[in-house]
Amino acid sequence: DADVTQTPRNRITKTGKRIMLECSQTKGHDRMYWYRQDPGLGLRLIYYSFDVKDINKGEISDGYSVSRQAQAKFSLSLESAIPNQTALYFCATSVTGQGGSGELFFGEGSRLTVL
Amino acid sequence: AQRVTQPEKLLSVFKGAPVELKCNYSYSGSPELFWYVQYSRQRLQLLLRHISRESIKGFTADLNKGETSFHLKKPFAQEEDSAMYYCALARGGFQKLVFGTGTRLLVSP
Repeated sequence: DADVTQTPRNRITKTGKRIMLECSQTKGHDRMYWYRQDPGLGLRLIYYSFDVKDINKGEISDGYSVSRQAQAKFSLSLESAIPNQTALYFCATSVTGQGGSGELFFGEGSRLTVL
Repeated sequence: AQRVTQPEKLLSVFKGAPVELKCNYSYSGSPELFWYVQYSRQRLQLLLRHISRESIKGFTADLNKGETSFHLKKPFAQEEDSAMYYCALARGGFQKLVFGTGTRLLVSP
């Protein structure tokens, strides 16, 4: 089954450490997204990419960076993690063009705890 | 700016009761609206979108541009409907989605 896979699924780290969350997809979709989910705040967009050469900031990009290594891979980095970046992070994909419908396909999430 | 408001954090009903999860949006253009659902231990997934005018699992949602609302309704709730529901808005052309804060629906027997 075509899928969206996130690694790691759980990570505990300390303040100041560099962390990378990885996302890979076998759906063949061109668009990829990183969201974070916080209780009471819902999902907020961190970064999104419409193709390998197109990276865009979302509403809460400060403290994060991304890399689109290939159409199928989209990584999120926290250069120096801080406790308020503790959250559940979701990668998602979608497809453009006439086959696109706006539907996002989500990974299972990566739970990050920053101590 | 795009904004989606879900005023209820928790909605608790009994099985068989009608359900309405509220969603209001602000956007000056032509919105595309969606409802996403996250069941326990499952991925967030699309439930329905307004352009399809479809009923999924007994749920419907009508876009009311006058009231800028896209409320999700079901006449008779089932226990398996218990989940987290997110309303989301995209600008025309299905660009990035903006999500509401979510409503947890709890259906009790």
